[in-house]
Amino acid sequence: GAGVSQTPSNKVTEKGKYVELRCDPISGHTALYWYRQSLGQGPEFLIYFQGTGAADDSGLPNDRFFAVRPEGSVSTLKIQRTERGDSAMYLCASSLAGGPPDTQYFGPGTRLTVL
Amino acid sequence: TQLLEQSPQFLSIQEGENLTVYCNSSSVFSSLQWYRQEPGEGPVLLVTVVTGGEVKKLKRLTFQFGDARKDSSLHITAAQPGDTGLYLCAGGRQTGANNLFFGTGTRLTVIP
Repeated sequence: GAGVSQTPSNKVTEKGKYVELRCDPISGHTALYWYRQSLGQGPEFLIYFQGTGAADDSGLPNDRFFAVRPEGSVSTLKIQRTERGDSAMYLCASSLAGGPPDTQYFGPGTRLTVL
Repeated sequence: TQLLEQSPQFLSIQEGENLTVYCNSSSVFSSLQWYRQEPGEGPVLLVTVVTGGEVKKLKRLTFQFGDARKDSSLHITAAQPGDTGLYLCAGGRQTGANNLFFGTGTRLTVIP
């Protein structure tokens, strides 16, 4: 079956612009995670959804970052007033039940570049 | 701030050599996972360990979870060029949070 997909694969934007990054999880997976990976580092947790609700958003760096999952499937990560420091690989993962140690399956990521 | 520190950060070895990658923390984890990531792709799960002292083998890869569940190691025997990649350890916390805390990564290059 299809894995986790993310679009776009690459996004180049200018400082101050608004961007949306999309994640399509594996069908039937109730848990969805967003991570951010800077060059040369491991991924860092941003937000976790169980169904439609954000169960843990403690990793969002500030109020410019917001994510939704209105129907419990596709999720969109939204970044307002982008800054150069937001440039990174944004990874989405999904898992079947969300309980540790639940296996998280990662998408290929969206490479965001803020000029 | 990353809770898990990996060493070495970079490793370049000849085909056929053995190597060990370490993942250390001062925090206790309920589970420890190892991933491999290729350029331009997301991490792919290799193994999950959940019991202190647990050892798991995956072909030429041996994974161990420390007795206190604060550290882990990955040992590769007779490395091959196909083992080249970024190796990441990731821990799940005992408090029940479902997000993973990733290590800093070890970039392995196996030279033919």
